[in-house]
Amino acid sequence: AQKITQTQPGMFVQEKEAVTLDCTYDTSDPSYGLFWYKQPSSGEMIFLIYQGSYDQQNATEGRYSLNFQKARKSANLVISASQLGDSAMYFCAMREGGSGYSTLTFGKGTMLLVSP
Amino acid sequence: GAGVSQSPSNKVTEKGKDVELRCDPISGHTALYWYRQSLGQGLEFLIYFQGNSAPDKSGLPSDRFSAERTGGSVSTLTIQRTQQEDSAVYLCASSPRGWTSDTDTQYFGPGTRLTVL
Repeated sequence: AQKITQTQPGMFVQEKEAVTLDCTYDTSDPSYGLFWYKQPSSGEMIFLIYQGSYDQQNATEGRYSLNFQKARKSANLVISASQLGDSAMYFCAMREGGSGYSTLTFGKGTMLLVSP
Repeated sequence: GAGVSQSPSNKVTEKGKDVELRCDPISGHTALYWYRQSLGQGLEFLIYFQGNSAPDKSGLPSDRFSAERTGGSVSTLTIQRTQQEDSAVYLCASSPRGWTSDTDTQYFGPGTRLTVL
């Protein structure tokens, strides 16, 4: 089973509107972290936001917020007031905790296109 | 401050040749990661270095792939006898701590686009 599932291959939104990008995850580890990255056409992966499994509140970073629903194992990214520069691929990733260390597991991504 | 840098940005090679890809992590970061991203796909973990510990090579797809990290800083990913299926973008990332830490965040370089003809 996939550990990170992003069901939306592509999303369209008009400038200044809000958009939600879906992400569900699968883990039996009680300690984990969830990340969202943005990859514009230039190819660089840009860190956007982080949510820890024990965090009581949803993470926010400027126009980005993470709608964390632990029981549903979902960690959707909400972008408010979309801008043309938000057009990019967006990847959800998970890091599983516990003893030792672990790397990030990425979803397949969602392509977001923002139109004027 | 300076982010993660990678060189070259693009590499075109012929099938069967060896290639070396370089990564300069953020200064002071103890952990370094290599990922591969094939066209239209997510990122595939390759290898992870944590300080002076033995690297986690569990993601390397074959023994043609190897990596080293000198002095706990610069890393080189080497692909021997390249094949066409090796064509991808190779991304390097570094993070401050690496060892399980809820808030440890990986910062990525711009990647090296490898094309094997």
